[in-house]
Amino acid sequence: QKEVEQNSGPLSVPEGAIASLNCTYSDRGSQSFFWYRQYSGKSPELIMSIYSNGDKEDGRFTAQLNKASQYVSLLIRDSQPSDSATYLCAVGYAGGTSYGKLTFGQGTILTVHP
Amino acid sequence: DVKVTQSSRYLVKRTGEKVFLECVQDMDHENMFWYRQDPGLGLRLIYFSYDVKMKEKGDIPEGYSVSREKKERFSLILESASTNQTSMYLCASSSSQSQYFGPGTRLLVL
Repeated sequence: QKEVEQNSGPLSVPEGAIASLNCTYSDRGSQSFFWYRQYSGKSPELIMSIYSNGDKEDGRFTAQLNKASQYVSLLIRDSQPSDSATYLCAVGYAGGTSYGKLTFGQGTILTVHP
Repeated sequence: DVKVTQSSRYLVKRTGEKVFLECVQDMDHENMFWYRQDPGLGLRLIYFSYDVKMKEKGDIPEGYSVSREKKERFSLILESASTNQTSMYLCASSSSQSQYFGPGTRLLVL
């Protein structure tokens, strides 16, 4: 059973701080990693993808991947109240029968307070 | 721009009714997925399709069926709706592994 674990939170940070969201996964064969943002009552929105060890930056967002530790994280710099949402970690697998399936974590609720 | 649409945002049905949820994508993606999302249970995969007329069961297929007659359209069917199928239903599509979601259908079964 492939598992993706996230701390459900809520994680509360002040405006302007760095928010750090963490995710661990169980399958060492995992090859692709995604972060989705989901506002209350809305559908998930893809914000970051990462495939190789190390950091990937996109604006205020940085995804970090460590395959040896089976750990992926998302850093949000200069957090804004509009970043308040649930963040879902998702993991994909190699192989011809994977068909792009992802395993999702339960999500971490982030609250950015002014 | 990526576009996945779902036929209804909100739907109210009676127990025992047959319910059709439609999903359309305009990105020429091979793979399409149906999830349901419930508080405390996260996203759960119901069915997915990797080609026209090809489908596979996900983690919770019981009580559901699907149809994919055209590449861009993937339908979820509740054969006989029950109250425990009240949920948010999300459709997604992908060509590789980045999945893009539709806006969701919130279904209430009375």
